[in-house]
Amino acid sequence: DAGVTQSPTHLIKTRGQQVTLRCSPKSGHDTVSWYQQALGQGPQFIFQYYEEEERQRGNFPDRFSGHQFPNYSSELNVNALLLGDSALYLCASSGSGSGNEQFFGPGTRLTVL
Amino acid sequence: AQSVTQLDSHVSVSEGTPVLLRCNYSSSYSPSLFWYVQHPNKGLQLLLKYTSAATLVKGINGFEAEFKKSETSFHLTKPSAHMSDAAEYFCVVSDRTGRRALTFGSGTRLQVQP
Repeated sequence: DAGVTQSPTHLIKTRGQQVTLRCSPKSGHDTVSWYQQALGQGPQFIFQYYEEEERQRGNFPDRFSGHQFPNYSSELNVNALLLGDSALYLCASSGSGSGNEQFFGPGTRLTVL
Repeated sequence: AQSVTQLDSHVSVSEGTPVLLRCNYSSSYSPSLFWYVQHPNKGLQLLLKYTSAATLVKGINGFEAEFKKSETSFHLTKPSAHMSDAAEYFCVVSDRTGRRALTFGSGTRLQVQP
C-alpha cells in the first residue's frame, strides 16, 4: 500500500499565477481533505471532497478550488497567487474502513515569489 | 464550532524525564481528539486518538493521553523522553466520526536535551 501520495514535492510560482496540486488517496479511501500549513503554524482546513462533491469548506477564499475524480484522487487549484499563499499543502484521506483516522501525505511545499 | 488551545508553544525536557504537553479543547458536540507529531521535513503521523471509548488512550512510542470532559482537556504524556521525541506536536479536534474537518492547535515544539 503506497499510502497517500502528493505531487509535486516542491513548487515555485510568482504572484498572480495559478497552481494545481495533486493527491492520490490511500487505497480503499473515498474522502480527501486539503489543509494549508503556513510556516510555524498548525494546518488549517481548506475543504473536503466526497463522491466528487465538495462536502465541507473552511474559511478560504474562492481562489481556492478543488476537484475529485472518479478514482477518488483530487486536485487543489489556487488562482491569482499571493505571497501569503506560500505554505505546505497537505492532503489527507479517509474511508469507511479507516476508523476515525485521516491519513496524511507528505505535502507539497509551495513558494510564491 | 470547535477549537483547540495548546497551552505551551515550546517545551524543553532532559532525556529520561517525563513529558507533559497540554491541550484544552472546545466543541459543541461529542468530539474525537487526536495527537499528531511532525518531525522536520516529514509528514504528520498519528500518535493516538480518543473516540469516546476509554478515557485513557495509549499511543505509539510510549505516549498516552487522558480525556477529561469536566476539564475539557486532553494532555499528552510520556514517562521518559527520548532524543528521537524532539518534534512538533499538534492537538486536534474533530467531530465524533473523525472524518470531517480537523481543527489543529498551534503546536508545541518539544526539545529534548541530552
